[in-house]
Amino acid sequence: QKEVEQNSGPLSVPEGAIASLNCTYSDRGSQSFFWYRQYSGKSPELIMFIYSNGDKEDGRFTAQLNKASQYVSLLIRDSQPSDSATYLCAGPLTGGGNKLTFGTGTQLKVEL
Amino acid sequence: NAGVTQTPKFQVLKTGQSMTLQCAQDMNHNSMYWYRQDPGMGLRLIYYSASEGTTDKGEVPNGYNVSRLNKREFSLRLESAAPSQTSVYFCASAYGTGPSNTEAFFGQGTRLTVV
Repeated sequence: QKEVEQNSGPLSVPEGAIASLNCTYSDRGSQSFFWYRQYSGKSPELIMFIYSNGDKEDGRFTAQLNKASQYVSLLIRDSQPSDSATYLCAGPLTGGGNKLTFGTGTQLKVEL
Repeated sequence: NAGVTQTPKFQVLKTGQSMTLQCAQDMNHNSMYWYRQDPGMGLRLIYYSASEGTTDKGEVPNGYNVSRLNKREFSLRLESAAPSQTSVYFCASAYGTGPSNTEAFFGQGTRLTVV
């Protein structure tokens, strides 16, 4: 079992809708989490990081961290076709200091 | 500012051959990582280096060796390639201290095929 789990999708949403991506993690001691976006054939790029309970907003993106329930989510408002990509959740590997472990990613498709 | 540079971009090896994947970063980062990405498996950490001269195993280290030559460079070596090592390999780096400084920046990837 991976330490960071995601539903592989695909998640399909219509253009303009809110896309909700979720991630759960197993290590209660984990402090910080990252959301990466990866277009097909490209390398991952960071969208947001969060290390405090609650919400963090950046433009159309909102990351949410709930340490009690051990889940992290990413909301994308006003979804655009250009948001179609795989979204990767990442967190620290148990006992691993700054080692980052990734979920398997959720494929998002934004349809016209 | 090149960021993280990997070479080569593509490689085909025969089973049993050896090769080294090169990675260099120019962001003065302390931490460097090697990941492999396979369909349905996501990114899996092979090896990690917290600083020059230190390396540590990740989730899937078997069949690989690494060298942190200096602060800039972190190489990954396959001593005897196997078809199971066919994958896309990514190098990444991060500043490495503090909760927000493990933000990792990725190279463009190396697509390796072992036949």
